[in-house]
Amino acid sequence: DIVMTQSPLSLPVTPGEPASISCRSSQSLLHSDGYNRLDWYLQKPGKSPQLLIYLGSNRASGVPDRFSGSGSGTDFTLKISRVEAEDVGVYYCMEDAQDPFTFGPGTKVDIK
Amino acid sequence: QLQQSGPGLVKPSETLSLTCSVSGGSVSGYYWTWIRQPPGKGLEWIAFMYYSGGTNYNPSFKSRVTISVDTSNNQVSLKLTSVTAADTAVYYCARDRYSSSYWGQGTLVTVSS
Repeated sequence: DIVMTQSPLSLPVTPGEPASISCRSSQSLLHSDGYNRLDWYLQKPGKSPQLLIYLGSNRASGVPDRFSGSGSGTDFTLKISRVEAEDVGVYYCMEDAQDPFTFGPGTKVDIK
Repeated sequence: QLQQSGPGLVKPSETLSLTCSVSGGSVSGYYWTWIRQPPGKGLEWIAFMYYSGGTNYNPSFKSRVTISVDTSNNQVSLKLTSVTAADTAVYYCARDRYSSSYWGQGTLVTVSS
């Protein structure tokens, strides 16, 4: 199974400031179809996860442009250009390059 | 919209059964996925299935899990047999096998006698 790691695991943020989360995989997520099979999800408190970024760098429908994803192979980054209060929750990266699909442990983002 | 239903309490060694009802759309033409989250922990992928057949299960569940799609009732189901306390979790259904934008509300299933 592919092992996903994230850092940091906890991220206190100041509204208006940028934030960044790293995700690393134990194997390359560059699929034979040419895409990096890496998604980012945000799980707000008490809610179901919501898709933010797919294929490493594509924003899902309705996701604000302050969210961006980058990276390739085994190293990926989620960036929030200016954090807003509504961005608090747990951020998960997930690989769907090889089954069984696996998630990172999550990064808890809260307001300082 | 994905509306989940099923018992919130299951006894050890029994079978966990959950249903995900699709409204405002059809199960046809899509993959359907189940994911779970133990209390206070991270997410675990369980399985996905194409509406017309073809399944992919997480080997960690061995042969305990079955996912099915009922096109006539527009529903997706999950069955997990021989449950233990370790199967206590919030179970989510989601549309698509990759990059799921549509999720159910989640069902907390507690395994306890």
